[in-house]
Order: sequence, then C-alpha cells, then structure tokens
Amino acid sequence: ETGVTQTPRHLVMGMTNKKSLKCEQHLGHNAMYWYKQSAKKPLELMFVYNFKEQTENNSVPSRFSPECPNSSHLFLHLHTLQPEDSALYLCASSQFRRSTGELFFGEGSRLTVL
Amino acid sequence: DQQVKQNSPSLSVQEGRISILNCDYTNSMFDYFLWYKKYPAEGPTFLISISSIKDKNEDGRFTVFLNKSAKHLSLHIVPSQPGDSAVYFCAASVYGNKLVFGAGTILRVKS
Repeated sequence: ETGVTQTPRHLVMGMTNKKSLKCEQHLGHNAMYWYKQSAKKPLELMFVYNFKEQTENNSVPSRFSPECPNSSHLFLHLHTLQPEDSALYLCASSQFRRSTGELFFGEGSRLTVL
Repeated sequence: DQQVKQNSPSLSVQEGRISILNCDYTNSMFDYFLWYKKYPAEGPTFLISISSIKDKNEDGRFTVFLNKSAKHLSLHIVPSQPGDSAVYFCAASVYGNKLVFGAGTILRVKS
C-alpha cells in the first residue's frame, strides 16, 4: 500500500446509526487532516492532528468525533448525523511545518445520510 | 468569508488551445500557493505550486503566475489535452499551515 488510503469508499447510513471512517497514510508524515467536500463548495478543513495531538477543530459539530491513535492512522467517528452531512470526506497527510503546506489526499469516503 | 475564490465554476476549451484558470485571494499573509487537480471518485492530487517570492513557476505544460499586487494567480495549461478535464482547486497557506481552498473550477477539454 502506498500513499493515503481511506475506507470505506462509500457509506450509507441512517440518522441514528454509528459508523466510522478510517484513514491510513504510508508516507511517514506527522500531520493528518479531515476535510469535507460538499458540492460546489470549497474543501472545508475539519480537524488537524500533528504528532497525534489535535491542533485544529474548525467548529465541527460534536456528532463528528475524530481519533488519531498514532501518526499513521486517523478515524472519524460518526453518530446521529443529519442529511446535510452527506458529502465526500477526504483524509490528507503532510509533514507538519513544511513550508509548502503540500497535502497528500486519499480518495475520499462518499457519505450519504438518509 | 472566503479567503480564496475561484469565480469561474466551469471552463470549456478546445483540445490544443490554452486553458487559463483564475484564482483570487484576500489574505496578504499567504506565502505559498498551490493548484490541485481532482478527477471524479479520486482525491485531489498536487499539480504545481508557487512561492510568494516568485511571479512565475513552470512545469511542462503547466505554468502558474502570481500577481501579488492584485492578489491574483492563474494556472495556464498549454496545450490542453482531453485528459486534463478535471476539477482544479486553488489553495493557499501561511508557512505551510492550514491550506485554504477555493471552490474549484471544472475544466472540460473538448477533442
């Protein structure tokens, strides 16, 4: 496996379900990110983890709960979501404080909330 | 308040011609600018970048121009190819922190 991998690629869930998105990076990076992409909107930064510590929570509702057990793995736990939470959720990694800020993205998890 | 704006939702270009994608920003502290390309069902991939100390960076068919006084950057693709059809995101950062993205421009290259 190379790069950034996300599972599952597609997820359909009801508003009362609990599910999790998983991300794994094989690039030796020390920072990981969750972004949300809704149709025709900019990518929205949700969470940032540097060296396993959360350094950014961009006013994300508590029904989204991130977990970063180590610098290679990142989870997004989902519970009691709303239909408007349906979107593409992208995980990314980078070398923290690298001057370019270049991110390496996974292929995304397409979430549909019924 | 969107700090990075891509005002053209879509662009259609004939194969072999030049594609010009534009991006405006409001934060004068941004010191690095990047373009990402995204195909359907895939994550964005890095395309080209430019530091704020430069006004031009070229990589093969792709050239990015930066006009700091106008807070404007553009991506030129010459010649455009059908495989370039994708969504292009402009992004900016302050010393590598918190990339801020635009909403994207859909480029269609017609053969």
